[in-house]
Amino acid sequence: EAGVVQSPRYKIIEKKQPVAFWCNPISGHNTLYWYLQNLGQGPELLIRYENEEAVDDSQLPKDRFSAERLKGVDSTLKIQPAELGDSAVYLCASSLNSGAYNEQFFGPGTRLTVL
Amino acid sequence: AQSVTQLDSQVPVFEEAPVELRCNYSSSVSVYLFWYVQYPNQGLQLLLKYLSGSTLVESINGFEAEFNKSQTSFHLRKPSVHISDTAEYFCAVYGRDDKIIFGKGTRLHILP
Repeated sequence: EAGVVQSPRYKIIEKKQPVAFWCNPISGHNTLYWYLQNLGQGPELLIRYENEEAVDDSQLPKDRFSAERLKGVDSTLKIQPAELGDSAVYLCASSLNSGAYNEQFFGPGTRLTVL
Repeated sequence: AQSVTQLDSQVPVFEEAPVELRCNYSSSVSVYLFWYVQYPNQGLQLLLKYLSGSTLVESINGFEAEFNKSQTSFHLRKPSVHISDTAEYFCAVYGRDDKIIFGKGTRLHILP
């Protein structure tokens, strides 16, 4: 069974440029998460989807970040425009449903460097 | 609010020696605790979890953790480490708002 797929694995852009990350969750998983992992820190939730609905986007900086999950499967996270402080690893995870009893499976992440 | 404190950012240990990675949590609701492992250039993987029942939980590769309610701790232990255990380990607690709150991580260095 394929795991969570993310692309690209690495991205280098100049500040003020836009960037997009793509995530394909495990087949059949209804819940999808985007996390931000800064260097030396644990992951922090940006947004959680239940199917195609964003049920928790309280930590998403909405002035420059946006996300979508069309048809409740793949998801895209966008930053426009990128800032130097956005350099980090962006992780996607999925689970069958939300709740502590449903294991979250993580993708390998996209490492973003903003110059 | 829930929070997790991992007291050590890095732990060096000789191969075949025992190791303990410390984790303390703060939670005002039912406690669900996790340890995740992140190998170099890979995503996080669930190592073990405490949801209910026995306070001692084990992983398939020899790690164990014990939920200690009185000390609000969930320390991770292994009696004999291998070079393949080199990774970063994250302790986490499940929050009341359906969020996993992660600690800052502990980098385990295995010395030959």
